[in-house]
Amino acid sequence: EVQLVQSGAEVKQPGESLKISCKASGYIFINNWIAWVRQMPGKGLEWMGIIYPADSETRYSPSFQGQVTISVDKSINTAYLHWSSLKASDSAVYYCARRPAGYYYYMDVWGKGTTVTVSS
Amino acid sequence: QSALTQPPSASGSPGHSVTISCTGTTSDIGDYNYVSWYQHHPGQAPKLLIFEVSKRPSGVPDRFSGSKSGNTASLTVSGLQAEDEADYYCSSYAGINNPFLFGTGTKVTVL
Repeated sequence: EVQLVQSGAEVKQPGESLKISCKASGYIFINNWIAWVRQMPGKGLEWMGIIYPADSETRYSPSFQGQVTISVDKSINTAYLHWSSLKASDSAVYYCARRPAGYYYYMDVWGKGTTVTVSS
Repeated sequence: QSALTQPPSASGSPGHSVTISCTGTTSDIGDYNYVSWYQHHPGQAPKLLIFEVSKRPSGVPDRFSGSKSGNTASLTVSGLQAEDEADYYCSSYAGINNPFLFGTGTKVTVL
C-alpha cells in the first residue's frame, strides 16, 4: 500500500526549532516529488514547497522561501520540514503529499497531517 | 498570487447534484489544463478526486466529474451521498514558482 506517514503533533514555544517528518512506503521514493502543504486554523490549503528525493532539487513558494527548509533522507525514505525559529503564526496543520515525477501537477497521495502548535 | 476563488459553501439533497466553481485568471486555469480537485474530511488526509481538469484516479467514483471553461473550472458531484459532506479544494498550475495554486475551498453539505 502506498502511504505517507507523518510524525506526531508538536507543541513548541516561539523561537524554538522544529523538524517534522514524512515517511514514504509502498513505492519508489526517489522517483516522485514530495510536497508540503500548510493549513492554518479555519483556512484553506497553501503549497509551501517541494523536493525531488533523487537529487534533492527543492523549490519553494515565494511565500515560504527563507521561512522553512525542506530536506530528504533517501536512506530511510523520509522527507522533512524544518523551522529554525518558530513563530506563533506557524501554528497549523502541515501535510506532505506525493507529486508524480514528470509533467504532472497534482498530488495523488497525502499524509494525515502534523499539527504544530506554537505558543508561549 | 491570490488563491483561486471558490464559493464558501454549497449544498444538495441526497441523490441530487452539486457543482462547485473555481475561478482563476489567464495566468493559471485559463492557461493550463492542470486543474485538480481534492476532497478533505477534517482530520483526515485530503484525497485526490480529479486531475488534469477531468481525469479520475482509479478508485474515485464516476459521480465526481470535472470540467473547465475559460478561466473557470468546475467540479460536479452527482448522486450526492452523506459521505460526500466535506471540504473541496481546486488547484491549478500557475507557473514554475507556483505549481499548486489552491482555491479558497468549498464546504459541501448534504441536506
